[in-house]
Amino acid sequence: DTGVSQNPRHKITKRGQNVTFRCDPISEHNRLYWYRQTLGQGPEFLTYFQNEAQLEKSRLLSDRFSAERPKGSFSTLEIQRTEQGDSAMYLCASSMTGGKVGEAFFGQGTRLTVV
Amino acid sequence: GEDVEQSLFLSVREGDSSVINCTYTDSSSTYLYWYKQEPGAGLQLLTYIFSNMDMKQDQRLTVLLNKKDKHLSLRIADTQTGDSAIYFCAEFGSGTYKYIFGTGTRLKVLA
Repeated sequence: DTGVSQNPRHKITKRGQNVTFRCDPISEHNRLYWYRQTLGQGPEFLTYFQNEAQLEKSRLLSDRFSAERPKGSFSTLEIQRTEQGDSAMYLCASSMTGGKVGEAFFGQGTRLTVV
Repeated sequence: GEDVEQSLFLSVREGDSSVINCTYTDSSSTYLYWYKQEPGAGLQLLTYIFSNMDMKQDQRLTVLLNKKDKHLSLRIADTQTGDSAIYFCAEFGSGTYKYIFGTGTRLKVLA
């Protein structure tokens, strides 16, 4: 296990379509985070899971967004009826509770372009 | 509030030291981190400091923390062209369990 894996790396979709992204965290990590990053900005928190439980959702996460982590391992982020404003890099990170430092390890991200 | 602020740009000459500054707002933050992001890539953890420390040194990197002013800095000694990237500071609160990132500082190293 070499790190957090996200796919696809790039996604171009037409406005109004649904898209789904996948994140595979580091295997022993029980926390999983989704962030969104737009050009020139820092990552903005969207949601996080501890095991399979979704413990916090940002107000940025509208009803069109849904995230799941059904077995406490991989996670999916779905965006329904995409809008041009959804164009961004979607980053996934994982961490381990009780770890010495608690740092989050990030994947390479999925870049979404809505046309 | 949850604002973490950084200056947007820094330009230095190769071999000089770089100092990137960050101010944060959550006084209960337990850890503060510095991440590096190269073009088209994810975030790479560079270093961290625990909130009860004032300073941490890790090879060319020195982190200084002033809790009273909620100010964090990252000093890169002998800056190289490969250090050109965007640097983000992030705070991790004891009660929030999420990482709050700054806006990022774009470091440009001139040969």
